[in-house]
Order: sequence, then C-alpha cells, then structure tokens
Amino acid sequence: QVQLQESGPGLVKPSETLSLTCAVSGYSISSGSYWGWIRQPPGRGLEWIGNIYHSGSTYHNPSLKSRVTISVDTSKNQFSLKLSSVTAADTAVYYCARRALGYAFDIWGQGTMVTVSS
Amino acid sequence: EIVLTQSPGTLSLSPGERATLSCRASQSVFSTSLAWYQQKPGQAPSLLIYGASNRATGIPDRFSGSGSGTDFTLTISRLEPKDFAVYYCQQYGNSLWTFGQGTKVEIK
Repeated sequence: QVQLQESGPGLVKPSETLSLTCAVSGYSISSGSYWGWIRQPPGRGLEWIGNIYHSGSTYHNPSLKSRVTISVDTSKNQFSLKLSSVTAADTAVYYCARRALGYAFDIWGQGTMVTVSS
Repeated sequence: EIVLTQSPGTLSLSPGERATLSCRASQSVFSTSLAWYQQKPGQAPSLLIYGASNRATGIPDRFSGSGSGTDFTLTISRLEPKDFAVYYCQQYGNSLWTFGQGTKVEIK
C-alpha cells in the first residue's frame, strides 16, 4: 500500500531554514498525483503549506509568502519542503500527504514535530 | 481566501447517538472540493469524505456527508467509541486549500 514518511531535523534555530523530506513507497511519484505539505501547531488546527506535481509545478500558501520551496526528486521517489527564516510560529507537526481524490488528501505521513528554538 | 467555520466547537454525545457537524464557508465552494477528515490524538488526519458526499475507501456507511454552496454537514449516524475524535472540513478554491478549525466530538 502507499506509505509516506517524513524525515528531517526536529529542532531548527530561529532565522534558519527548515528542511524536510517525504519518502513515498508503494507508488511512483512519476505516475501522477499531487503531493502536499500540511502543518499543525501544537494544540491547533491544520494549515496547508503547498503542493507539487511530479512535473515540478507547485502551489503554495500565499500567507507563507516566498519562504516556501517545494521540490520533487522522482529518481528517489521523494519530495521536499524548505521553509526559510523560521520563527517560533513555525513550530508545528509537519505532515506530507498525497492529493488524489478530487481536492482531498487521501494518504498522510505520520507527521514529524519541528521545534524552532535557539 | 475562503474561510471555513465549523460548529459546534465541541459536541458532547453518548455512544449510539447521532452526531451532526457543520462546516460553513465564507463564500460558495464547489462540492467537488469539500472534504472531511478525522484526527485522533497523536495521529495524522485520515480522510473520511471527499467531494462533499463520497466516502473514502474503507469508511463505514455510518459516516455521511452532504451540502452545497456554503453549508456542508458531516453526519455520524450512530457513534461508536472509536469515533470520538476531532473532525476537520477542508476546501479548495482560488489555488488555495483551507481547513476549518475543527469540531471535537467527546464522550458525554
């Protein structure tokens, strides 16, 4: 079955860049579908960060302005998130997910907690 | 940006009861873009309903979605103990995905 697994540092210093990778198994990214990043601050709701298609075209949340970069590596069957100039407000559980059913995210990774602190 | 407002914030019910959760959009939403998720503590959200009324794979028929325009509803016909969780609605519009703030369904 399709599985997604996030990986990356759990602690990032303020003003630095948060970098996460989502490894996809059981499905080839090159086959299609959009792949997304969603985050959830502790005790709060969900916030969509951005999506990428296997071709590399991306959409991202304008509220994050130009801090977001999402890329895909089809040779490794994974996609990545970079969020620059982080502050404490970026502390959250970060999820990767597959958008496949209409505009819904049908498969999610388990999530990875990222804390921004010096 | 389309804002989704979920109500109530918390729903206190007993197993076997019917749960009705509301999701109201600040402007009209295409039904094809409306989804519902369930999230249990310490877990990722899981998809329940997509396209406003279509159950995702493996979702039991006690879960149903309905609505159109700006008003959407998730109904759980008979609550089971494993259904007590937080539920989020989500929509896509104007190249932006947004989520509601969530409704917690707790055991009364």
